[in-house]
Amino acid sequence: EVQLVESGGGLVQPGGSLRLSCAASGFTFSSYAMSWVRQAPGKGLEWVSAISGSGGSTYYADSVKGRFTISRDNSKNTLYLQMNSLRAEDTAVYYCAKAQWACSSTSCYGLFDYWGQGTLVTVSS
Amino acid sequence: DIQMTQSPSSLSASVGDRVTITCRASQGISNYLAWFQQKPGKAPKSLIYAASSLQSGVPSKFSGSGSGTDFTLTISSLQPEDFATYYCQQYNSSPYTFGQGTKLEIK
Repeated sequence: EVQLVESGGGLVQPGGSLRLSCAASGFTFSSYAMSWVRQAPGKGLEWVSAISGSGGSTYYADSVKGRFTISRDNSKNTLYLQMNSLRAEDTAVYYCAKAQWACSSTSCYGLFDYWGQGTLVTVSS
Repeated sequence: DIQMTQSPSSLSASVGDRVTITCRASQGISNYLAWFQQKPGKAPKSLIYAASSLQSGVPSKFSGSGSGTDFTLTISSLQPEDFATYYCQQYNSSPYTFGQGTKLEIK
């Protein structure tokens, strides 16, 4: 059974940093691209970042480019999101999501079949 | 970036009804279109991929169609558990973008 469990959320001041983790199990983690998707309170879904199975390719939304860094440790079956220079508009529930297919095209990276339960990040003074 | 526009933004329907939600892409995305269901406080659940392919375990009351820029999600014989928010999403190219959501409410 595929399981994705996020952690690391919390309250942080504007300009601060936070690192989110997503522990994966139930599939061959290194074979699948992974993404982070966020949802601000009462709002819709926004894709944030994706990383290939090997970790060699990364992609970002313009809203977080230069501030957030996605990475993965395939030996630990864990996905990360390092968030720096946080702003109030980064307040959201952050979900990790697994790509449905184990392939290497960018259209594969963006199709998600499993999601974690989410972790709340609140940026406020 | 590819913009995804859903309509309507909200929809009231009764148990047993059949409803259709539409999603339009700002440029052609072939059939790289997915649909998700989300209930309050829960993660999104994948329903359909490749515009019309049902995810494993999803009941056949859900169906999708379309290609290029215009897509639809149809839910037949609505049951209480179907009342939720539905999102379309394009995965043709990064950044992967979602529609704004359609909230399906009980009439």
